[in-house]
Order: sequence, then C-alpha cells, then structure tokens
Amino acid sequence: SSELTQDPAVSVALGQTVRITCQGDSLRSYYASWYQQKPGQAPVLVIYGKNNRPSGIPDRFSGSSSGNTASLTITGAQAEDEADYYCNSRDSSGNHQEFGGGTKLTVL
Amino acid sequence: QVQLVQSGAEVKKPGASVKVSCKASGYTFTSYDINWVRQATGQGLEWMGWMNPNSGNTGYAQKFQGRVTMTRNTSISTAYMELSSLRSEDTAVYYCARESYYYGSGEMYWFDPWGQGTLVTVSS
Repeated sequence: SSELTQDPAVSVALGQTVRITCQGDSLRSYYASWYQQKPGQAPVLVIYGKNNRPSGIPDRFSGSSSGNTASLTITGAQAEDEADYYCNSRDSSGNHQEFGGGTKLTVL
Repeated sequence: QVQLVQSGAEVKKPGASVKVSCKASGYTFTSYDINWVRQATGQGLEWMGWMNPNSGNTGYAQKFQGRVTMTRNTSISTAYMELSSLRSEDTAVYYCARESYYYGSGEMYWFDPWGQGTLVTVSS
C-alpha cells in the first residue's frame, strides 16, 4: 500500500478552482511531483518541485507544499482537465520512489 | 525532442518471463536514470525500480526483488526491464520514465518523459 495518501475522487464545476492533496511523511523531506493521466494514455508531468511547470502545461496548474502535505491546484478548471492525478515522491528512506493512490477529477 | 519508445504488447503464460525495451532519443542516454512503473487495469501507478544507464546500478522495490532485472545497452540507448515467474497479477501496462532531479532549497525528483507503455498480458 502507498505511503502517500490522496482522496480517491474530487469534483469541480467548470471554471472553478480545485485543490488535490497528497499526504505523507516523506513530503517533509522531498518535494512532490504531479502527473495527469487520461484514459488510455501515459502519465504526463504537470508540476514538479516547489511549483514548477514543464513547458506546455497551462499556468492554471500550480503546486504548493506545507509540512507533510503537497497540493496541486487548478485555477479555472477546464473540461480537458478531467483526468486521474497522481503525486509522487521519494520514500522516507530516500532510496525508492512511491506514488499516491491517485485522485479522479471530474469537471462538472 | 526527448522521447522514450517502448516495445510492443506481449502475451505470456504463467511462469514465463517477459523483457520490455525502452529506447531513448533526443538526449544523452547515460545522463539520466530510467525508472519503471506499472499499472494494472483500473488501478494506480506502482513503482518497480530504477537503473542508472551510465553505471548499470539498479534499485528495486521490495515487492519485485528477485523477480525483476533492469539492464541497458548504451550503444543503442535502450533500457530493458525483465520480469520473471509471471503470474496473472502481473498483467498490466508497463512504463519506462526518465528521472530528473535538482538539489536546491530542497530535493526534487520528477519523471519526464514517459514511454507510451507496453501491455503485458499473463494468461494460460
């Protein structure tokens, strides 16, 4: 079982703001990275580090961290943001990686 | 552009082994670790392990120790993941991903890009 905990499902009205969280002890030592996965596709990096977006990721995606919790915020959610979102971090030992269980985002 | 291209789908019988390849292009293959992640149908992402293409050093998740082997061929910029003693529960899509890191005000690691995935089906 994952040591990174995510809510299984979250919903947001079109154009509104949604926050997806990830909790785990390892997040006190390591930044999380976030991945978006749409059905039948490979995961895509959306946020890494303190709050870094890869080229091509819209600026409505942002990240933050406090204590043992990392958050992914989508400001002004769009229909195309409907997807599964996974957080990832090194584990507490620092030697391995782990993923959260994933959050299914529904845009209403 | 930076790209990872994986080998095609496989169907294997229980007890057999499977070897998935991941060909890198657009960057220096030996400069970044390659990680392997799998995903069973309808399930989340599961990290399997990493390999340093320069040294060949590896690290595996406890769950796969003794069953997984990650190797590389630097002359063709290709990483491999071999999983043995297959069982039905190993049916999944297997992904390779390039790992980057940065040590600034804190340590950060990320996977980008990912391969397109390889479906491995284990069935008698």
